[in-house]
Order: sequence, then structure tokens, then C-alpha cells
Amino acid sequence: DTEVTQTPKHLVMGMTNKKSLKCEQHMGHRAMYWYKQKAKKPPELMFVYSYEKLSINESVPSRFSPECPNSSLLNLHLHALQPEDSALYLCASSLRIAGYNEQFFGPGTRLTVL
Amino acid sequence: SQQGEEDPQALSIQEGENATMNCSYKTSINNLQWYRQNSGRGLVHLILIRSNEREKHSGRLRVTLDTSKKSSSLLITASRAADTASYFCATAALDNAGNNRKLIWGLGTSLAVNP
Repeated sequence: DTEVTQTPKHLVMGMTNKKSLKCEQHMGHRAMYWYKQKAKKPPELMFVYSYEKLSINESVPSRFSPECPNSSLLNLHLHALQPEDSALYLCASSLRIAGYNEQFFGPGTRLTVL
Repeated sequence: SQQGEEDPQALSIQEGENATMNCSYKTSINNLQWYRQNSGRGLVHLILIRSNEREKHSGRLRVTLDTSKKSSSLLITASRAADTASYFCATAALDNAGNNRKLIWGLGTSLAVNP
């Protein structure tokens, strides 16, 4: 299985809602990533987990809260988001955290904040 | 922060023609990677070239790396309509501690292949 899955595919939420994005991989990868991508822009790294521990937080606002329950799962909890947070949220994984390895991406969650 | 810059930003060609896009970067790297992204979808890894390699091939793809000029090029030969996508370069750069923990992404080239 060489796939990264993400749910949901689309999410519309109000600024007072709480929602979660989910990501799963079964490739035995020990590094997992959350990226945010705006239209026609490159992905922006948000968080990196290595061996289920948060390794990199790119100064992301606290309204985004990541969680890595086990080596296969990655969640992104959303609360009190702003309309400017509307974007494509991509999950990725790689064998190890180092940039030596290719990253495998999921199809993304298209988030709209009203 | 983004250290890669691709050019051109957009490229439109006819099916069967070759497409060349370039990527420049600023710091020392361990490797450079190219990814493709179809509209609104996830990214797909195409090829990785290490800093001690000068050229690499994968099917219709040819990547070159010139570390002295801090640049790379991606050539797609005999292009097809299905090659229409955005192409990003990403560098595995070393931080001040000599660690290599994340990719630095370029701004991307949008390729349109017309049937």
C-alpha cells in the first residue's frame, strides 16, 4: 500500500466550529507532515512529526492543533478559524524526517471557512 | 521560506513538443526533488537528484543539476495532454546545525499541453 489517505475531501466550517482533518498511511513511514496550500502557490509546511513526536512547528497559530495518535495516523484539529485559513490542506509522509527521502502526499482536504 | 524559484512561471506548448522548466536555489543542498501537481490535487514525486549527480532520467523525464550555478532543469520530452500540471522543485537544504529536516519549495511552473 503506497497511498496516503485524507478525510474529508471537502470541509466547510464556520469560524466558531471545531473540526478535524485526518490522514493515514500504512507504508511504515515514521515522518508525517501537514502542509497548507493556497491557489497557485507552493505548499507551506505547517508541522512535522517524527516517530510520533512533534519535530517542527512552523510558527502556526494555535487555532491549528496537530496530533499523531500512532505511527500511521495524523490529525489536524481546527478551532476558531478565520476565512483566510481557507486553503487545500495536504498531508504527506516519508520514510524518515530528513529531506533525503521523497514525500508521499495525500489528495488533500479543501477547507472553506465562512 | 521559499528558496527555489522556477522559471518560467507558466508554459504552454503543443502535444509532442518538449517542455523545459528551470529551478534555482540559494543554499547548499543534499538533493533536489521535482514534484507534479494536477489541479487541486496532491503532489506526486517525480524524481530526486543528489548533489553529487549531474543528470538523471526517468521515462520521458530528464533532470540536470548544476551545483556551481545552484540550478536544476526538468525536461519532459514528447509531452502529452496528461502532462498538464504544476511542477515544483524542492530542495533538501542543510540548516545551521547541519541537519536536513525539511524541503524548501520553489514557486512552481504551470505547464499546459494543448492537444
